[in-house]
Amino acid sequence: GAVVSQHPSRVICKSGTSVKIECRSLDFQATTMFWYRQFPKQSLMLMATSNEGSKATYEQGVEKDKFLINHASLTLSTLTVTSAHPEDSSFYICSARVSAGGRSEQYFGPGTRLTVT
Amino acid sequence: ELKVEQNPLFLSMQEGKNYTIYCNYSTTSDRLYWYRQDPGKSLESLFVLLSNGAVKQEGRLMASLDTKARLSTLHITAAVHDLSATYFCAVDEDSNYQLIWGAGTKLIIKP
Repeated sequence: GAVVSQHPSRVICKSGTSVKIECRSLDFQATTMFWYRQFPKQSLMLMATSNEGSKATYEQGVEKDKFLINHASLTLSTLTVTSAHPEDSSFYICSARVSAGGRSEQYFGPGTRLTVT
Repeated sequence: ELKVEQNPLFLSMQEGKNYTIYCNYSTTSDRLYWYRQDPGKSLESLFVLLSNGAVKQEGRLMASLDTKARLSTLHITAAVHDLSATYFCAVDEDSNYQLIWGAGTKLIIKP
């Protein structure tokens, strides 16, 4: 099956610094990747849709200048949390969409636990 | 606006019992997904249901889809402790291939 990796799996940073999270599709090409955020005991919240070679589409309420997304290749999307604050502490999960024969499925990365102190 | 509702949101049950988790959605999508999430982990794909009447089974879990009723069920048979997790259903919204998520059902199975 399709494998999606994320790096780092866990990161602790100080308030005001920036953190970059990488999402890679390991054995397939993904023209579309999604970035989610999940707070404890809650469902996933879609932050943005990342399309290779174009600007990301952000969901309402998500600051595009704070959460920078770059999808420079068909196997890599990055999310940079700029000027992080404690309220940005969360579990960030990416997924990559695979489409074949009219069917679409998302494969999820293992997630990145961000703690901002 | 597409909405996805799961119930129950929390379920505590004894090993060996049967139970069903329900997932209702508000549009005519025929693509529904079930995922499992263990604490501190990402999501694991369980089932992909792509047509009305689709039924899939894996071990003690069975999922079905009724697109006319806009309802999917995840049935647990003779539950075992290892099935304790949070289960999410998600519906594929046609226009932009985004998944719309249910709130999740936290399942605790007591030995």
